[in-house]
Amino acid sequence: GQNIDQPTEMTATEGAIVQINCTYQTSGFNGLFWYQQHAGEAPTFLSYNVLDGLEEKGRFSSFLSRSKGYSYLLLKELQMKDSASYLCAVRHHEGNYQLIWGAGTKLIIKP
Amino acid sequence: AAGVIQSPRHLIKEKRETATLKCYPIPRHDTVYWYQQGPGQDPQFLISFYEKMQSDKGSIPDRFSAQQFSDYHSELNMSSLELGDSALYFCASSLTGGGGDEQFFGPGTRLTVL
Repeated sequence: GQNIDQPTEMTATEGAIVQINCTYQTSGFNGLFWYQQHAGEAPTFLSYNVLDGLEEKGRFSSFLSRSKGYSYLLLKELQMKDSASYLCAVRHHEGNYQLIWGAGTKLIIKP
Repeated sequence: AAGVIQSPRHLIKEKRETATLKCYPIPRHDTVYWYQQGPGQDPQFLISFYEKMQSDKGSIPDRFSAQQFSDYHSELNMSSLELGDSALYFCASSLTGGGGDEQFFGPGTRLTVL
């Protein structure tokens, strides 16, 4: 079956660094996406990994290890506006663009 | 830059009524996806279209149908509405083969069934 696990909730301090982990077991793998979603709003694309390694984009970085079925999203220099849910999603079959979504990690930033 | 447009943004219906949600993808995007998201839940994939043909089907109830038109806009038709259909309905679009094929989401339609 398809399964994606990520922590339900995390708390961090403004200006700090936080790492949100995601593990997956899917039938086939063709890319992992991270999305940010503020309450009541649409998910917005953050990053995409299909090969092992680290992808850096400003304050956000995403890492993938396909052999371990593991990814993390690293957020640096946290700002209050980073308080949101972070969704990990896996595209599980080439040619089939359906994404399998994790339940999301609610990140709470404290001053 | 143009984004995905959804209409209406809010919709209130009564049980057993019908509803039609519309989605206008980003220009030149050829793939449209529909998602249903309940409170505190992750998006549940309903159905997708590539080049006006259904490309994948998820947990879409038989009471729902969708299609993509020649101008690439898509409509989700919902009949015999139930209380449990109350949710945010997102449409997303992507350009197939465009690198990561990331999906760009519209603002969503909030459907409330009374």
